[in-house]
Amino acid sequence: DAGVIQSPRHEVTEMGQEVTLRCKPISGHNSLFWYRQTMMRGLELLIYFNNNVPIDDSGMPEDRFSAKMPNASFSTLKIQPSEPRDSAVYFCASSALGETQYFGPGTRLLVL
Amino acid sequence: RKEVEQDPGPFNVPEGATVAFNCTYSNSASQSFFWYRQDCRKEPKLLMSVYSSGNEDGRFTAQLNRASQYISLLIRDSKLSDSATYLCVVIPISSGSARQLTFGSGTQLTVLP
Repeated sequence: DAGVIQSPRHEVTEMGQEVTLRCKPISGHNSLFWYRQTMMRGLELLIYFNNNVPIDDSGMPEDRFSAKMPNASFSTLKIQPSEPRDSAVYFCASSALGETQYFGPGTRLLVL
Repeated sequence: RKEVEQDPGPFNVPEGATVAFNCTYSNSASQSFFWYRQDCRKEPKLLMSVYSSGNEDGRFTAQLNRASQYISLLIRDSKLSDSATYLCVVIPISSGSARQLTFGSGTQLTVLP
């Protein structure tokens, strides 16, 4: 069975550019989570969706970050404009309601 | 104070040793507790849930102390393959129908040959 799929796996961009990260959750899972991981701050929840509806986006750092989930099988996290401090590993995770979260392999983002 | 606190380590132990990690949480109303494992440059994966009565899975034992608000993970007869970062995870009282996880910063374990 395919797990959570994320793309791209690596992204290097210049400050000020727009970055779009993509996630395909496990089929049948109705909750989707976006996390960011850095050495300094560890793993932080940015936003999560339930049945494609954003429930809590209080972890989104600022207005430069936005996330969408247009359907049950796809979500995006967009950073516009990107800044060097956004460099991190971004994980997407999905779960069936109330059950274990399964993480994707992550996108390693480097903003120069 | 962080919601979930862990000793970052690193813990360097010889193969076959027993090692224990502790984790404290600040929200006394927290509902559920887990240990996740994260290998270097990989995603976190669920290792085991932590139940009030304590639970064991092979060489791994997890315990919960609600009165003192800490959970522990014990690894017996450690293997080289146990080398990883172990993340303590807490779910507070749910504010929605999804289960929102709060992660500790992780404890790094290296098992030496």
